[in-house]
Amino acid sequence: GAVVSQHPSRVICKSGTSVKIECRSLDFQATTMFWYRQFPKQSLMLMATSNEGSKATYEQGVEKDKFLINHASLTLSTLTVTSAHPEDSSFYICSAPQSGPGANVLTFGAGSRLTVL
Amino acid sequence: AQSVTQLDSHVSVSEGTPVLLRCNYSSSYSPSLFWYVQHPNKGLQLLLKYTSAATLVKGINGFEAEFKKSETSFHLTKPSAHMSDAAEYFCVVSEGYTGRRALTFGSGTRLQVQP
Repeated sequence: GAVVSQHPSRVICKSGTSVKIECRSLDFQATTMFWYRQFPKQSLMLMATSNEGSKATYEQGVEKDKFLINHASLTLSTLTVTSAHPEDSSFYICSAPQSGPGANVLTFGAGSRLTVL
Repeated sequence: AQSVTQLDSHVSVSEGTPVLLRCNYSSSYSPSLFWYVQHPNKGLQLLLKYTSAATLVKGINGFEAEFKKSETSFHLTKPSAHMSDAAEYFCVVSEGYTGRRALTFGSGTRLQVQP
């Protein structure tokens, strides 16, 4: 079945540095990918929609300059947390819709836990 | 507009007993409904989905859910809980195409399974 690979699974960085998280669809193409943020014991919050070949669409309240999204190819989207601060520490999850009959089903990556010291 | 309400934030059952996780939804259109499971520090795994076919949907790991339009419910059940079922469960509603605003997540239900 469809697989989405997310890397790294865990990252610890110092305040003020930037961190890049990659999301790859391994056996299917994804013109659209979604980035979510999840705080402890809470549900997923959609941050942005990554569009291959065009700018990402951000949800209200999400800082575009803080969370840079690049959809470089049909199988890769990256989220860069720029000038990270402790409040950016969170679990970030990407997802991509399957193609064909399963187009309304999202496949999720395993998530990336970011800890900013 | 669509919304989804998971009625219980925590459910605790004993191993071998039935599981019931409740979900109610609202939708302006014929929705698609999903249940996802998330184990600690992991991504989400699809358990089952309803997309206007049979109202009783069977998923993986012995879970099933019944779509009841009259009650706007999509409760998740399992006849006999296993220790490995302990996780967070999310009910999700989607109105048609999976566009950026088309998915709405419930707040989640944490299932605890006691030995």
